[in-house]
Amino acid sequence: SYVLTQPPSVSVAPGETARITCGGDNFGSKTVHWYQQKAGQAPVLVIYYDSARPSGIPERFSGSKSGNTATLTISGVEAGDEADYFCQVWDASSDHPYVFGTGTKVTGL
Amino acid sequence: QVQLQESGPGLVKPSETLSLTCTVSGYPISGGYYWGWVRQPPGKGLEWIGSMYHSGSTYYNPSLKSRVTLSVDTSKNQFSLNLKSVTAADTAVYYCMRLNTVLSSCMDFWGQGTLVTVSS
Repeated sequence: SYVLTQPPSVSVAPGETARITCGGDNFGSKTVHWYQQKAGQAPVLVIYYDSARPSGIPERFSGSKSGNTATLTISGVEAGDEADYFCQVWDASSDHPYVFGTGTKVTGL
Repeated sequence: QVQLQESGPGLVKPSETLSLTCTVSGYPISGGYYWGWVRQPPGKGLEWIGSMYHSGSTYYNPSLKSRVTLSVDTSKNQFSLNLKSVTAADTAVYYCMRLNTVLSSCMDFWGQGTLVTVSS
């Protein structure tokens, strides 16, 4: 089955920039979404369609995709951004169209 | 605002059937979009289980397809998950969600999740 690889953890000082990567094969044909999951809570959509931001999500969250890697960038990290982040792809041509990445825990230094 | 709420037993015996219901408020299930389920074993990542349309059209994770059935009750604005022949490996937090097919099939609304433990 399709595999999406993320770094297990990213540590960042408050106010700095966190970059979370998500790698997979043939990314160009797939759409990537990102979710934030705080401890004990349900996931929240923070980026859809590679780089679009839902209403209510702060501008410091941004997404990009290049080659076989998608990146979620959190600029000016705040304490409240500490969470697990998951990428997810939609592949309309697959019999398993929704695959999640392995997840990355963002912690403050 | 769209809200989803899972309900069902928190404990299921091995080999039995896990049954959960998701009640939707703030949007009619028959109004469009797909609806579905995602699960998360304790301390692990997210796994898509399956999704369905209000017409009854369904599609499932191939690894679970032989054991999963999704159904919908539009009169109650609810949809349900049945997972048969469960084992300890099915212990997880189960989330229901809305699949927004307009926004490139992202999962834009989620329930709070319900922990289901498989144990005798």
